[in-house]
Amino acid sequence: AQRVTQPEKLLSVFKGAPVELKCNYSYSGSPELFWYVQYSRQRLQLLLRHISRESIKGFTADLNKGETSFHLKKPFAQEEDSAMYYCAVNSGYSTLTFGKGTMLLVSP
Amino acid sequence: NAGVTQTPKFQVLKTGQSMTLQCAQDMNHEYMSWYRQDPGMGLRLIHYSVGAGITDQGEVPNGYNVSRSTTEDFPLRLLSAAPSQTSVYFCASSYRDSYNEQFFGPGTRLTVL
Repeated sequence: AQRVTQPEKLLSVFKGAPVELKCNYSYSGSPELFWYVQYSRQRLQLLLRHISRESIKGFTADLNKGETSFHLKKPFAQEEDSAMYYCAVNSGYSTLTFGKGTMLLVSP
Repeated sequence: NAGVTQTPKFQVLKTGQSMTLQCAQDMNHEYMSWYRQDPGMGLRLIHYSVGAGITDQGEVPNGYNVSRSTTEDFPLRLLSAAPSQTSVYFCASSYRDSYNEQFFGPGTRLTVL
């Protein structure tokens, strides 16, 4: 069965500091990985998908099949990045298996 | 486009009561799904549908029923509410391709007393 592990419940950094939110997965076959973000009082929204190899709001994530990881990184955190971040893997028919989430708090 | 809409936003039930959480989307998405979000647990899949008339169970289906009579609507029914069903419920929809973005509704916060 697919499994997604986000080891940190809470990550607290100062504005301008680098950020890395960790995600490890367990999946047989070729995984399709995503990062979703939930800002306060807003709905869950897609941030990144590994297939796109894009940078959104300064965030990037690289799929490392050897380490089965898909860590989310940003070189300089901003206060508006404070949110709950979920790593997820496609589980068939566009359903997702989510990690437990990491709350990112960026202090001024 | 309204996207994915959910009603109600908040609901309080007593143990044993039944109710239906509504979900609708106006993007002509084939796939729809229901998740519950619990503190420290992330989101877990309850039921999903790949098209009108086709539904299947997810990770935590017990105590919930779904049906999909139209492409637009995917209601979630709680048969006999239990305190363990206190949660935030999210509906999501997407196109068929698995790389496609899932669009989430705003959620329904349910409390079962």
